[in-house]
Amino acid sequence: AQSVTQPDIHITVSEGASLELRCNYSYGATPYLFWYVQSPGQGLQLLLKYFSGDTLVQGIKGFEAEFKRSQSSFNLRKPSVHWSDAAEYFCAVGNTNAGKSTFGDGTTLTVKP
Amino acid sequence: EPEVTQTPSHQVTQMGQEVILRCVPISNHLYFYWYRQILGQKVEFLVSFYNNEISEKSEIFDDQFSVERPDGSNFTLKIRSTKLEDSAMYFCASRLDPRSEAFFGQGTRLTVV
Repeated sequence: AQSVTQPDIHITVSEGASLELRCNYSYGATPYLFWYVQSPGQGLQLLLKYFSGDTLVQGIKGFEAEFKRSQSSFNLRKPSVHWSDAAEYFCAVGNTNAGKSTFGDGTTLTVKP
Repeated sequence: EPEVTQTPSHQVTQMGQEVILRCVPISNHLYFYWYRQILGQKVEFLVSFYNNEISEKSEIFDDQFSVERPDGSNFTLKIRSTKLEDSAMYFCASRLDPRSEAFFGQGTRLTVV
């Protein structure tokens, strides 16, 4: 069965500081991996995805993530956080057959001025 | 840009009543999904639908739930007899195929009173 672990429930960073959100997955084959962002009361916006190829993927809003098969990780990074990045971030692993996604518990990002 | 649309954005219903949540997936997409997010919790998979039948469902998707694609554009989730614990945000998603990204709607917030 596929699963995702986001070890950090809540992270606080200062505006302008770098950010790394951790994600570990469990899946029997090559995974499809996603990061989504959700603002309060809003839907899910896809930040980036990994299907195959280059293990460093670039996304929207200056985010990037690196797929590390040996560590079963897909950590999200941003070099300089903006106050508008404060939100809930979800990592997800996709099933390559039926296509369902399994989400992690999410990490709440707070940005200090 | 094409998007998944969900209606209504918010629905309040009395316990025991039937509700139908509606979704219009992206027009050329073939795989459809419903997910649920209880307030403050992670996004949970409910059901996937392809070729006019359910391809996978979770333990949450019991006999009180059903899905339908009544015409070429809508995809609905019916909850036959709502319970208080059905209160959640319900997200519809669609994708062209399992190897492409899923696009999520903005969600319907269901409140059961």
